[in-house]
Amino acid sequence: AQKITQTQPGMFVQEKEAVTLDCTYDTSDPSYGLFWYKQPSSGEMIFLIYQGSYDQQNATEGRYSLNFQKARKSANLVISASQLGDSAMYFCAMRMDYNYGQNFVFGPGTRLSVLP
Amino acid sequence: DGGITQSPKYLFRKEGQNVTLSCEQNLNHDAMYWYRQDPGQGLRLIYYSQIVNDFQKGDIAEGYSVSREKKESFPLTVTSAQKNPTAFYLCASSMGGGGYAKNIQYFGAGTRLSVL
Repeated sequence: AQKITQTQPGMFVQEKEAVTLDCTYDTSDPSYGLFWYKQPSSGEMIFLIYQGSYDQQNATEGRYSLNFQKARKSANLVISASQLGDSAMYFCAMRMDYNYGQNFVFGPGTRLSVLP
Repeated sequence: DGGITQSPKYLFRKEGQNVTLSCEQNLNHDAMYWYRQDPGQGLRLIYYSQIVNDFQKGDIAEGYSVSREKKESFPLTVTSAQKNPTAFYLCASSMGGGGYAKNIQYFGAGTRLSVL
């Protein structure tokens, strides 16, 4: 069965510093996608970034980048130059390409707190 | 603006009562999903629908029911059979089809359900 592990329940970072949120996954399927979502206190899930298993380069979206290490089955999110508004829960998710239900498997999340 | 609208934002249920959570999208997405989130935890899939008039059970469908009569709408009914309904409920949609980009799920702002 597919599984997502996020081992950091909570993280603190100083404003303007970079932070890495860990995500490891378990799947035997060769083709899959990895996603990161941000959930602020308001509750809405905001899509941040995705990476395909066959993508050669690590994905980047503005201040977000995904450090994808396929052999280690890890897909860590790097946030550069943290801002106070980055304080939120962050969820890593995975979808298998052959999962015709198109549903995601979510990790338990990491709560990030940005300190002024 | 395109997006996903969930209503109400807060909902209270009495013992033995069925309640319905609304989810509407104007993104022209084929697939829609319902998730449940308990405090401090990730998301668990309740039901999903890939096309009008068709839907499948997710991991925790017991005590819930859905319908998909229109592409834009995917209401969730929490029945009296669901003995522990207090949670945050999130609706999502995606374009469907193949390719990871097309399968990004976009979420509504959620409905917080409590039992009186």
